Amino acid sequence: GAVVSQHPSRVICKSGTSVKIECRSLDFQATTMFWYRQFPKQSLMLMATSNEGSKATYEQGVEKDKFLINHASLTLSTLTVTSAHPEDSSFYICSASQSDTQYFGPGTRLTVL
Amino acid sequence: DQQVKQNSPSLSVQEGRISILNCDYTNSMFDYFLWYKKYPAEGPTFLISISSIKDKNEDGRFTVFLNKSAKHLSLHIVPSQPGDSAVYFCAASASFGNEKLTFGTGTRLTIIP
Repeated sequence: GAVVSQHPSRVICKSGTSVKIECRSLDFQATTMFWYRQFPKQSLMLMATSNEGSKATYEQGVEKDKFLINHASLTLSTLTVTSAHPEDSSFYICSASQSDTQYFGPGTRLTVL
Repeated sequence: DQQVKQNSPSLSVQEGRISILNCDYTNSMFDYFLWYKKYPAEGPTFLISISSIKDKNEDGRFTVFLNKSAKHLSLHIVPSQPGDSAVYFCAASASFGNEKLTFGTGTRLTIIP
């Protein structure tokens, strides 16, 4: 199956700093990637749809100025959590579509102190 | 509003027996359904999918059944193996490919050796 990677796998940062998470499709091109967030013992919640070469589409309640998404190429999307706060601590997961199926990255655990 | 529901948060099954995981949805626009398996601190792994034009799809030990009139789908795993212990999420979308997925809340499956 298709492989999606994320970097870093784990990050700890101080409150007020910004954190960038990378999502790459390793063996296929993806015009669309998705960013999800999962809080402990909860489901995956879609945050935004990342479109190559255009602006991301954000879900209701997700602040686009706080969660900056850039889809610079067909294999890379980045999510930047700006001015992170402890409540942003979560597990962030990206996915990319190939042949009608979304394949997920391994996730990034963000802890904001 | 939880459009995709997995009413059993956990399930324990004896090794070798059949595991049946259930999922209900409310949005009649959903026409493509997927099952994912997830280990802690990892991204979901795609297992099997089914479109609304079918009522059954089989792949090895995994079979998904769809009852469109009841808005219900189920995942059967037989025979269950210890490596199947994980959290299983069902997900739904309104079309193939690049549409966003709505996830259920997950069911933790434990296979008892």
